[in-house]
Amino acid sequence: AQKITQTQPGMFVQEKEAVTLDCTYDTSDPSYGLFWYKQPSSGEMIFLIYQGSYDQQNATEGRYSLNFQKARKSANLVISASQLGDSAMYFCAMNTGWRANQAGTALIFGKGTTLSVSS
Amino acid sequence: DAGVIQSPRHEVTEMGQEVTLRCKPISGHNSLFWYRQTMMRGLELLIYFNNNVPIDDSGMPEDRFSAKMPNASFSTLKIQPSEPRDSAVYFCASRYRDGGEQYFGPGTRLTVT
Repeated sequence: AQKITQTQPGMFVQEKEAVTLDCTYDTSDPSYGLFWYKQPSSGEMIFLIYQGSYDQQNATEGRYSLNFQKARKSANLVISASQLGDSAMYFCAMNTGWRANQAGTALIFGKGTTLSVSS
Repeated sequence: DAGVIQSPRHEVTEMGQEVTLRCKPISGHNSLFWYRQTMMRGLELLIYFNNNVPIDDSGMPEDRFSAKMPNASFSTLKIQPSEPRDSAVYFCASRYRDGGEQYFGPGTRLTVT
């Protein structure tokens, strides 16, 4: 069965420091995608970064990078130079089963990690 | 470009009433998803359409819930009759490529009293 585990309910970091949010996943499907979303207190879900299971390089998007360790089944999000506006809930998510002529599954989500950035 | 549009943004209704939530996906996206978020259960899929056809409705709680996608630019999620345990934030999301990222609407906060 597919599963996403986020073991850190809350993380605290000071402005300008880097922070790593942990995510482990479980699937037996060789084709899968890993995603991180940010949910600020206003409630919207904001897509941050994507990593495909066949991607050789770790994904990066601005201050966000995804530390993909396939053998360990981990997909940690690294936020460099934290800002006050990074304070939010962060969700790791996965979809599986997509290939030629198959749309794959919907996303399954972890329980989330609340990040608090202080000045 | 307009993102995913959901209406209403907030809905308060009494138990037993019918509730209809609406979603307009991003133009050109071929998949549409309905998710529900609660404190107890987190984010969970209700139903997923690909090219307007339901692909996975295993998350629809029971017969009180139904969803339609009559065309590529509109979907509805209906709850009839509503119950207090249906209180949640309902998100619609769309996706333009298989396996790719999903873009979420702002959500509908439903309260059933």
